[in-house]
Amino acid sequence: AQSVAQPEDQVNVAEGNPLTVKCTYSVSGNPYLFWYVQYPNRGLQFLLKYITGDNLVKGSYGFEAEFNKSQTSFHLKKPSALVSDSALYFCAVRPRTGANNLFFGTGTRLTVIP
Amino acid sequence: NAGVTQTPKFRILKIGQSMTLQCAQDMNHNYMYWYRQDPGMGLKLIYYSVGAGITDKGEVPNGYNVSRSTTEDFPLRLELAAPSQTSVYFCASGGSNTGELFFGEGSRLTVL
Repeated sequence: AQSVAQPEDQVNVAEGNPLTVKCTYSVSGNPYLFWYVQYPNRGLQFLLKYITGDNLVKGSYGFEAEFNKSQTSFHLKKPSALVSDSALYFCAVRPRTGANNLFFGTGTRLTVIP
Repeated sequence: NAGVTQTPKFRILKIGQSMTLQCAQDMNHNYMYWYRQDPGMGLKLIYYSVGAGITDKGEVPNGYNVSRSTTEDFPLRLELAAPSQTSVYFCASGGSNTGELFFGEGSRLTVL
């Protein structure tokens, strides 16, 4: 079965410190990988994606993510957290073949402490 | 550019009532989706469409129906509302299989 795991419901980090939000997946083949962010009472917003090529992907607002094929992981990172980064983050994967679906993780709430 | 527009934003239904959630996009996207978001559960796909006249079931289609008569519109119909359908519903659209999705602001539905 296809699945996406975000092992941490909550991540707290001090402002200015680096942050990591973890994501692992179990999807056949080499899926497309995405990160989305959701602010309160809003829809999800796209941050970045991995399709092919360099394992380190850079996205919006200074975020980046590292694809690790052997560990089937796609962790979201930022070198220096801002209070405004506090939000709910979702990892998502789409199989390259088969059903046209985007499978989402359960989300990780990031709180950046001033 | 309005992007993806959902209406209504909030609705309370009684058990057994029916309603339609509207979704419209102005980006000429072929792909459109309906998700529901429940606390701690992430997003679950209800239905999707890859173009006008084409729809398909997602992970949790029971109790819902969709249609896609135009590229712009993708309404979600709830028949015989049940408390289990209390959720936040998101419509999304995308231009390709590898591209990002654009989400609406959501519709919060409560069934009492």
